[in-house]
Amino acid sequence: DGGITQSPKYLFRKEGQNVTLSCEQNLNHDAMYWYRQDPGQGLRLIYYSQIVNDFQKGDIAEGYSVSREKKESFPLTVTSAQKNPTAFYLCASSLRAISSNYGYTFGSGTRLTVV
Amino acid sequence: RKEVEQDPGPFNVPEGATVAFNCTYSNSASQSFFWYRQDCRKEPKLLMSVYSSGNEDGRFTAQLNRASQYISLLIRDSKLSDSATYLCAVKREYGNKLVFGAGTILRVKS
Repeated sequence: DGGITQSPKYLFRKEGQNVTLSCEQNLNHDAMYWYRQDPGQGLRLIYYSQIVNDFQKGDIAEGYSVSREKKESFPLTVTSAQKNPTAFYLCASSLRAISSNYGYTFGSGTRLTVV
Repeated sequence: RKEVEQDPGPFNVPEGATVAFNCTYSNSASQSFFWYRQDCRKEPKLLMSVYSSGNEDGRFTAQLNRASQYISLLIRDSKLSDSATYLCAVKREYGNKLVFGAGTILRVKS
């Protein structure tokens, strides 16, 4: 079955440490996205990529970095520059053009906690 | 003003009730619209798209009001299993990205 796989499900980061969240999809989707969700807040866009080897900053990119070396993979690195990284991170993918018939498919998320 | 706004609720309703949520958006040029359902500590899952003429899927009806810039979700004959957070999502005019509301919490009680 096609889908998006995020790993790990839970991640603990020490102060000053970089961590990388994995996102892999086998839906043959061109576009991939990273969102962050905090309690009581909507999903906020961190980075997105429409095609391989290209990505753009979203609304809250500071302290994060991404790569898109393969169509299937879009890992997110939370750097030590991100001052408040504790959140629920969601990866999504879509066809290149979102339309009324096609939205996002989400992975099951990674809960990151700073310890 | 937020780009997409929802009443956070919670909406507490008895089983069998009809409940409706609205979601307002600020950009009149917004295009595609969606409702997602999110269970506690899970990822959002697409509930339904919202078409200009309105659309229905079983007990769920979605409508779009472009003049007043809001979309709505109506749930009839509420079930305990409908308890969740409902997120609306709007495609921005430019770019292939969705903007999400913060969600409306629905609790259906027996």
